[in-house]
Amino acid sequence: NAGVTQTPKFQVLKTGQSMTLQCAQDMNHNSMYWYRQDPGMGLRLIYYSASEGTTDKGEVPNGYNVSRLNKREFSLRLESAAPSQTSVYFCASSPSSNWEQYFGPGTRLTVT
Amino acid sequence: KQEVTQIPAALSVPEGENLVLNCSFTDSAIYNLQWFRQDPGKGLTSLLLIQSSQREQTSGRLNASLDKSSGRSTLYIAASQPGDSATYLCAVRPWEAGTALIFGKGTTLSVSS
Repeated sequence: NAGVTQTPKFQVLKTGQSMTLQCAQDMNHNSMYWYRQDPGMGLRLIYYSASEGTTDKGEVPNGYNVSRLNKREFSLRLESAAPSQTSVYFCASSPSSNWEQYFGPGTRLTVT
Repeated sequence: KQEVTQIPAALSVPEGENLVLNCSFTDSAIYNLQWFRQDPGKGLTSLLLIQSSQREQTSGRLNASLDKSSGRSTLYIAASQPGDSATYLCAVRPWEAGTALIFGKGTTLSVSS
């Protein structure tokens, strides 16, 4: 099992550009999450999907959109990137049985 | 609003020492608590998961305890090694359905040989 995979690993964008971060899990988990990690702020939830076909906002959703494409895949889209979105983005998934979260390796995004 | 605090922010110890990392949370209505390890530039690796009905969990040299009533958890690392050097994160999952984890800011551990 690959667990949770994320692409790309690194990305540099100019202000105003758009991009989609991809996440997939092969553990048949119902729930998936997107977090961002910033120095001094810790990890904060952007969006989550409790099950296929549902998505909900987290603590810091502004400037982002998500799509739960199917049970395996949960993508995060930046429509018009801003320097404040420079961060490390982590995707995670969890089963409904015990809610233990498993994280991907992260995407390091820089917006200039 | 649930808040998670980890003290100290950084800790340096010599190899072989036993150590305790602390985590406190403000609302005892949690479903579970999870301890993670994060190496520089890497993702999070789950170390231990404690359900709200449990008091402790053990994995190898690691032991995590949970005292919900006082809003505290500790991660005990026995016989520390240089390979234990990393940032350790504590996170709680509130009881509300569909919610995700709320993280502390972590304790960065350095074990010298």
